[in-house]
This record gives sequence, structure tokens and C-alpha cells, in this order.
Amino acid sequence: DAKTTQPPSMDCAEGRAANLPCNHSTISGNEYVYWYRQIHSQGPQYIIHGLKNNETNEMASLIITEDRKSSTLILPHATLRDTAVYYCIVRVANTGNQFYFGTGTSLTVIP
Amino acid sequence: AAGVIQSPRHLIKEKRETATLKCYPIPRHDTVYWYQQGPGQDPQFLISFYEKMQSDKGSIPDRFSAQQFSDYHSELNMSSLELGDSALYFCASSWGSGGADYEQYFGPGTRLTVT
Repeated sequence: DAKTTQPPSMDCAEGRAANLPCNHSTISGNEYVYWYRQIHSQGPQYIIHGLKNNETNEMASLIITEDRKSSTLILPHATLRDTAVYYCIVRVANTGNQFYFGTGTSLTVIP
Repeated sequence: AAGVIQSPRHLIKEKRETATLKCYPIPRHDTVYWYQQGPGQDPQFLISFYEKMQSDKGSIPDRFSAQQFSDYHSELNMSSLELGDSALYFCASSWGSGGADYEQYFGPGTRLTVT
């Protein structure tokens, strides 16, 4: 699985959009980009995933560059409850395949 | 909606004892994953099962074993516990569909403390 690079920490003002970048320059054509977050010591929570098209759901938007070497997770209106560690993961979507969690980005939403 | 259930939520054991952690996946999910998260660390994959067969293996110590049962629940057995085994243990489940993309849903974790 491709490795990812994320900034270790970011701040965002409450109510503003949080844009979390991720570099995955060695991604293969059959690897998906997944985003998870972990609030304190809770179980990681699925946010969104995509292959090459931009994706949007009720939680966030995922923007993947055309060459697929990087992506951005967008939380459109950050709230204090979005303070968490955000993990960008790339993996082949085969049954039973593990997720490799990198170091993630610790996002702090500031009132 | 039903989530992944893990039991117990907290467990305290002494060195060299054994521990068994249980995971009940979301109904109709057939794939189970185990992760270990040490203090201040990121989750590390241990092992996974699909349709009761081991499907992938990570950094699981030889002292640990796991299996998935006919009802798809899974158990992680840990023997000769060491202080370094103190960690959060997460179970995740998914519906495996042989090549399609899918997400894993994580349980709340079991906090194991070895003294």
C-alpha cells in the first residue's frame, strides 16, 4: 500500500472550512483514498473515500487531483466536535485488506 | 443502526496471564479486523478474517491468536501478557464483496492494561 504524508497538526476557526491535505505520490491505479478520524481514544470513524473522482457526503468532500498524487479533505463548516486526528489512507480494495494508519493530522477547531 | 460491539471494554491483567477479547461485527458483515493502538501511537493492524478464514496478517505477535466463528464474531486470544501489550484494541468489520471498495466500521475498543 502507498504511503501518505500529512501535516502533523492544523488549526481551524469554528464555522470555517477545514482543508486537510494528503500526499500519496506513489499511489497505484487500483488504490482508493480513504479518510478516517479518531476523536480522543474512540474507535476510528469513517468519513469518505474515493478512487479518482471527487466525492461528497453529509460529512465532508474529498478532492483528488487529476494525477491522484494528492487529495484534500474538506469539512465545510468545522465545529468544535470536529477536533480529532484525521487519517488519510490509501489501499487496494480487496476483501480483508488492512488499513495502514499513518501519523495523521491533529485538527483543532478553535472557538 | 447497529455498530460493532467489543467486550470487555476494559480489562486489567497481570504479566504472564492470558486475555480474550471479543468482537461482534455489524449484522451481515463477514469480515473482521483487529488493530492495536499503543499509548500515543497510531492504530497498527494485527489480523483479519473473511468468511471465517484468515485473510491478512500484520504485526501480530506469536503469543496472540485469533479466529472468526460461524456467527462471524471474532476472538483475539493473548497469552503470556507483557507490559508492552497494554493498549487499546480495536475491532472493525466490513462487508467483503471481493474487489469492490468498502469501508471498515470500528468498534469502541477494549482497553487492556497489563500490570
